[in-house]
Amino acid sequence: AQSVTQPDIHITVSEGASLELRCNYSYGATPYLFWYVQSPGQGLQLLLKYFSGDTLVQGIKGFEAEFKRSQSSFNLRKPSVHWSDAAEYFCAVGLFTGGGNKLTFGTGTQLKVEL
Amino acid sequence: KAGVTQTPRYLIKTRGQQVTLSCSPISGHRSVSWYQQTPGQGLQFLFEYFSETQRNKGNFPGRFSGRQFSNSRSEMNVSTLELGDSALYLCASSLGPGPTDTQYFGPGTRLTVL
Repeated sequence: AQSVTQPDIHITVSEGASLELRCNYSYGATPYLFWYVQSPGQGLQLLLKYFSGDTLVQGIKGFEAEFKRSQSSFNLRKPSVHWSDAAEYFCAVGLFTGGGNKLTFGTGTQLKVEL
Repeated sequence: KAGVTQTPRYLIKTRGQQVTLSCSPISGHRSVSWYQQTPGQGLQFLFEYFSETQRNKGNFPGRFSGRQFSNSRSEMNVSTLELGDSALYLCASSLGPGPTDTQYFGPGTRLTVL
């Protein structure tokens, strides 16, 4: 069965510093990969997605992620973090099975931004 | 275009009761998925509907059920509520059930079971 691991439960960075959130997946076929962000009391907002092609994908809010098949990773990066980026970030892998689609999520990484 | 809407946003029930949550997808989206989010278990897939048919189901007891209407709106029902059912229930819609059909999430319904 597919699984997603986000090894960092909490990360604290200073405003203006660079950010990298790690995500590793376990999946037998070509994965469909996503990063979502959740602010307190809110639903999930899609940051970016990877289906195929260029392994470096750009998303909203200045985020990017790189798919590395050899490392089974899909790490999220941002060159300069803003205080408003403080939130919880979820990596997910999509599985198409039984004629339907389901997402398997990692446990999330809580990002704190110090001013 | 309006996003995914979920009603109600907050709900308080007592053990043994049942509850129905509603989800209206983005206009034109025909697939609706439901997820449960708890601090202990994280985000877990409940089920997915497309064209009024359940396509996928997660590992939840039969007390959790859902349906989809011809206008793609969906409801989920939880019967005989337990304390452990307290969670944020998230609905997501997508154009279809395909692997490249991105899921867009609503704000969720916060269910508290006392």
